[in-house]
Amino acid sequence: GEDVEQSLFLSVREGDSSVINCTYTDSSSTYLYWYKQEPGAGLQLLTYIFSNMDMKQDQRLTVLLNKKDKHLSLRIADTQTGDSAIYFCAVVTGANNLFFGTGTRLTVIP
Amino acid sequence: DADVTQTPRNRITKTGKRIMLECSQTKGHDRMYWYRQDPGLGLRLIYYSFDVKDINKGEISDGYSVSRQAQAKFSLSLESAIPNQTALYFCATSAADSPLHFGNGTRLTVT
Repeated sequence: GEDVEQSLFLSVREGDSSVINCTYTDSSSTYLYWYKQEPGAGLQLLTYIFSNMDMKQDQRLTVLLNKKDKHLSLRIADTQTGDSAIYFCAVVTGANNLFFGTGTRLTVIP
Repeated sequence: DADVTQTPRNRITKTGKRIMLECSQTKGHDRMYWYRQDPGLGLRLIYYSFDVKDINKGEISDGYSVSRQAQAKFSLSLESAIPNQTALYFCATSAADSPLHFGNGTRLTVT
């Protein structure tokens, strides 16, 4: 099946930008999602990108997709303490299966 | 997401016991899923169902069974719980070709 990789931890200072990276292996992936998980809660859909797009911007969030390198990133501008959470990358393959990364725990230092 | 409700929120059980985790949804989605989350492993799919008469094994179905009682209800059973089934369990729903919507999870501890 698909291999979806993420770094486990990221720390940034409040006000800086955060960049969370994700790599995947299936070149036929169709949709790519970013989910946020706050403590004690389920996963909340943050944003998504179709595989025919390079970039998507939504307020403080920017998603970049490099299909050639199979690399997806989520940039959070002006990171706030409320952005501290675990962020999951999820990829829908050409066979319509969904695979999650391991999650990146973002810690925002005041 | 209040539209996907999981019960109980927390459960402690002993090795060998049978337990059931329940999920109900008000989103009107046909598709329902059960995942488990373990630290450093992300989410792994246990079972999924695309409609009431459809049940499919996921990546890690051994030791688990499911029942789709209605479009809105999908329950997960552990026939004989073992300690390595201690995890956070999530139910999710979706429409076709749409993102998943998750419940708030059930934290299960098997002693």
